[in-house]
Formats: sequence, structure tokens, C-alpha cells
Amino acid sequence: GAVVSQHPSRVICKSGTSVKIECRSLDFQATTMFWYRQFPKQSLMLMATSNEGSKATYEQGVEKDKFLINHASLTLSTLTVTSAHPEDSSFYICSAGDSHNSPLHFGNGTRLTVT
Amino acid sequence: DAKTTQPPSMDCAEGRAANLPCNHSTISGNEYVYWYRQIHSQGPQYIIHGLKNNETNEMASLIITEDRKSSTLILPHATLRDTAVYYCIVRGNNAGNMLTFGGGTRLMVKP
Repeated sequence: GAVVSQHPSRVICKSGTSVKIECRSLDFQATTMFWYRQFPKQSLMLMATSNEGSKATYEQGVEKDKFLINHASLTLSTLTVTSAHPEDSSFYICSAGDSHNSPLHFGNGTRLTVT
Repeated sequence: DAKTTQPPSMDCAEGRAANLPCNHSTISGNEYVYWYRQIHSQGPQYIIHGLKNNETNEMASLIITEDRKSSTLILPHATLRDTAVYYCIVRGNNAGNMLTFGGGTRLMVKP
């Protein structure tokens, strides 16, 4: 089945630094990938839709200059959290699907802790 | 995408069937019902999806009512490892359609 790989699984960074999270579709091509964020005891919230070769579409309230998304190839999308602050500490998860009639599959998430 | 309503929590005895309900009364004709589950600190795992017919795979069965306004996910023999949050999501059948997560049902399988 379709596999989505996310890296790193955990990262701790200092306030003010930037962190890059990678999301790869291992055995299929994904023109669209989705980035979610999940705070403790809450559900997943969609942050942005990443489109290969074009600009990402951000959900209302998500700062595009803070959460930079690059989808340069059909198998890789990256999310960079710029100038991270403690309130950005969260669980970030990506997902992708391989065709119109297939379900979306998720990476195992990245636990970001900003100190 | 249509909104879904699920009970916030359920318990199930190990070895018994777990029946998780979901209401999606505003579902439209081209929207599928998807079920995912999330075990603590992991990404959501796809379970099953369907349009109007009942579906079964190695993980679960999905029963969709004839009017498609509700569905039930059935785990036939729940194990402790099935303890997770289960999400019922309605989604259009397009690769560009995201999944919108509600609160889900926290299923606790007990020995």
C-alpha cells in the first residue's frame, strides 16, 4: 500500500531558530500533500495544502511566511517552521494520496518542541 | 465536506465486537465515508472507506445505512491494540480533497 514517510520524528530547537520537516511519498507520486498540526488532546487541524510546482494554499489563520512549504517534486514536500517560538510546539503530520480514488495516507508525524 | 458526529468515547471488552457509530446527515451524493484511527503519538491510520455499499477488509467492516446518513464501523474481535481515537470523515472523491477531522471517538478496549 501507499507509504508516506516523515522526518524527523522528533526535534527540539531553541526559540528563534528554524526547523525543516520532510514528507515523502515512498512508492507513489503525489501532486498534492497536506500538512496538519495537532495540539495535545485535540484533533488534527489542516494547516495547508501543498501543490507540486505551485504555491501552497494556507488555511485561514495560518501564517504563510512563518510556515514555509515547498513541494519541489512529486515525492517530496517540506514544511519549514521559521523563527520558532514555544507556542509552535506541536505534532506536525503530513498526508498524501496517489490517485483520485485512493485514500490519503499519513506520515508518522513530527513532534516539535521549542524551548 | 459534510460534518460528522461521533460519540466522544466508548469502551469495549477485549475479544468482543466494537461498533462505532457515525452520523453524517448532510452527506452529498459523491462523498465517501472514510474511517481512520490514531494511536497515541502516531499519524492517523487508514481503516476503510465506502460510498453506499457495505465494505469489509482485513481490519474492519463498514455498514452504511441506505439513506447514507449514518454508518457504523465494526471491529469484529477487538484487541488491546485497537485502543485508539477513531475518526469518521466524509470526503469528496478527488485527490485534491483534504480530510477534515472532527473530535472522533476514543475507543478503550479493556481486558
